Amino acid sequence: KQEVTQIPAALSVPEGENLVLNCSFTDSAIYNLQWFRQDPGKGLTSLLLIQSSQREQTSGRLNASLDKSSGRSTLYIAASQPGDSATYLCAVEGPGTYKYIFGTGTRLKVLA
Amino acid sequence: DTGVSQNPRHKITKRGQNVTFRCDPISEHNRLYWYRQTLGQGPEFLTYFQNEAQLEKSRLLSDRFSAERPKGSFSTLEIQRTEQGDSAMYLCASSLGTGTTKQFFGPGTRLTVL
Repeated sequence: KQEVTQIPAALSVPEGENLVLNCSFTDSAIYNLQWFRQDPGKGLTSLLLIQSSQREQTSGRLNASLDKSSGRSTLYIAASQPGDSATYLCAVEGPGTYKYIFGTGTRLKVLA
Repeated sequence: DTGVSQNPRHKITKRGQNVTFRCDPISEHNRLYWYRQTLGQGPEFLTYFQNEAQLEKSRLLSDRFSAERPKGSFSTLEIQRTEQGDSAMYLCASSLGTGTTKQFFGPGTRLTVL
C-alpha cells in the first residue's frame, strides 16, 4: 500500500531564504508526482508535475526533483517571499491506479 | 473560465439530513475524481470515474455515500443521513484520461454538519 510522508510538517523562515521541502513514498513504481499549494480554506493549486521518466521540473523560483529509486522528491523554493506562505502538498499517482495518494503537507510561513 | 467548478462552495446541515454536491469538470476531461480533506490532513481519495463508469471506490465511501456521473460530464456526490464526522472539504478533480495526466482541482465544497 502506497504511503506518502512529508517532512517537515511545519516550517517558518525569514524572507529571502532558499528552502527545501521533502516528500517520500514507499512504492517506487509511481506514474507521476505532483506538488500542490493550498491556501487556508481553499482548493489545490498545481505547482509542478514530474512524470516517472523525468528527474526534475522547474517553474520560476520553484524546482522539483524526483528520485524514484529512493522514493523521494524535493521541492526547492528560491528566494522565499511572504506570499509563498501556504501548505505544500505532494501527491503520487500509481502504481496500478490513477488516484492520487497525498502526504499530510508542509505548512510554510515566510516572515517579512 | 474553463476550470473545474464545484457547487455549493459551503454547506451547513444538521445531522441526519441528506446533502448533494455537484462537480463540473474541464470539458474535454474524461476522468473525474472525488477526494475528502479534513483539517490538517492531506486529501483522501473517495472515488473516480472514467466517462460515466465508476472505476474505483475507496473503503472510506460508506453505504451512506453515493456518486454518479450519468452522462460522463458533471458528477454528483450525495451523503445520506449525515454525521458530524462527515464535516470536511470535498474536492473534485478532473484529468484528460489518456495515460497518466495531470489532475486539476476545483475549489472544493466545505461541509459542516451540526
